[in-house]
Parts: sequence; structure tokens; C-alpha cells
Amino acid sequence: QVQLQESGPGLVKPSQTLTLTCSVSGGSISRGSYYWSWIRQPAGKGLEWIGHIYTSGSTNYNPSLKSRVTISLDMSKNQFSLKLTSVTAADTAVYYCARGGDSGVWRQWGQGTLVTVSS
Amino acid sequence: DIQMTQSPSSLSASVGDRVTITCRASQSISIYLHWYQQKPGKAPNLLIYAASSLQSGVPSRFSGSGSGTDFTLTVSSLQPEDFATYYCQQSYSTPYTFGQGTNLEIK
Repeated sequence: QVQLQESGPGLVKPSQTLTLTCSVSGGSISRGSYYWSWIRQPAGKGLEWIGHIYTSGSTNYNPSLKSRVTISLDMSKNQFSLKLTSVTAADTAVYYCARGGDSGVWRQWGQGTLVTVSS
Repeated sequence: DIQMTQSPSSLSASVGDRVTITCRASQSISIYLHWYQQKPGKAPNLLIYAASSLQSGVPSRFSGSGSGTDFTLTVSSLQPEDFATYYCQQSYSTPYTFGQGTNLEIK
């Protein structure tokens, strides 16, 4: 059973770069046809898809964040990462990593990590 | 972007009730519609995929229907553990988008 676990700083200063890592266990991120995804949820609000990276390394980002987002794979560590630059308070949210299939469905999720943007 | 609109935004019901949540897409999305349940402090959990397919391990009291622009999630007989927030999500095209959520509360 594949499991995902987010890690990274819980507090980021405005204008800085948010960096999160998702560690995957129980399966290799280099195998299969999966979309390794990031999704976020501000407190008390709905879900927003940030983007994903395919097993091949190709990426797709939400246009609303595209200029600030980079998602990458680290096959050697079986991890994938999210970088979001120039953060503001509006980027404060719980960030989830998830594994998606061809149909765009997320069956496996991390437990989520809260990132607060504040000075 | 495809806009997803759920109704109602909140719903009060009792154990044993049958409830239906509706999700409408701003354009046709075929059956690329999925339903998730989220409990406080937890990640969303997939219930229904491709509009009407029950995810493995999900109780059969959950069902989904619809195609095109109009979809429904039905819980045939509410159990105490079903009180949660429910989201629909489209994967017809990126950016993938979610409905705003339906908060199902105990009456």
C-alpha cells in the first residue's frame, strides 16, 4: 500500500520560497503511470489543485499559480517536491501531496501539512 | 477553468436519512467527476470515481450518478461516521477543480 508523507517548514516569511517534500513509501515513484500531485486547502475553505508531475517528469500547473510553482521528482530518494516562490498570506494553507492516476483521481493522499506565511 | 457548483452548501440530517448532494459543472465533463469525503483535520478520501463507480472499501450506501453537467451523490441511510464535508472534483481538463463543498451535519 503506497503511503505519502509531507514535510517542510511550517512557517515561511512573506516574499520567500515555500518548499515542501512528499516522501513516498510502499512503491517506487519511477514506476507505473502516476501523476504526483500537490493540492492545498486554506483553513475553513475548499480544495485547490496546484499541479502535478508525471512519472516521466512532465509537469502541469494550475495557471493561477504557474508563474510561481515548480514540482520536481527525486527518484533516488523516492520523493517529489513543491516550490512556491514569492509567497504571501494568501498562500497559508494545509498542503497535501497525492498520487493520481490517468483519470485524474486521487486515491492516495498524505495527511497534509500546515504552512503559515507570516513575518 | 471549469467551475463546479455544489448544492446545498450545508445540510442537516439524521441518522438513517437518505440524502442527496448535487454537483453541476459549467460545461460538459462527460463522467470525469469524482466525490470525496473529508473529516476535520484529515485528508479527503475518495468515495466515488467516474461519476458512479464505488471506490474499493467504501460502503455500498454511497452511490453516484450523472453525466455531462449534472451529478449527484446519494447516501442511502446515513450513519454517524458519514457526517463530514463532501467535495466533487472534475478531471475532464486541467486545471482540475473542486466544488466548494457540502457540510453534512447532524440534525
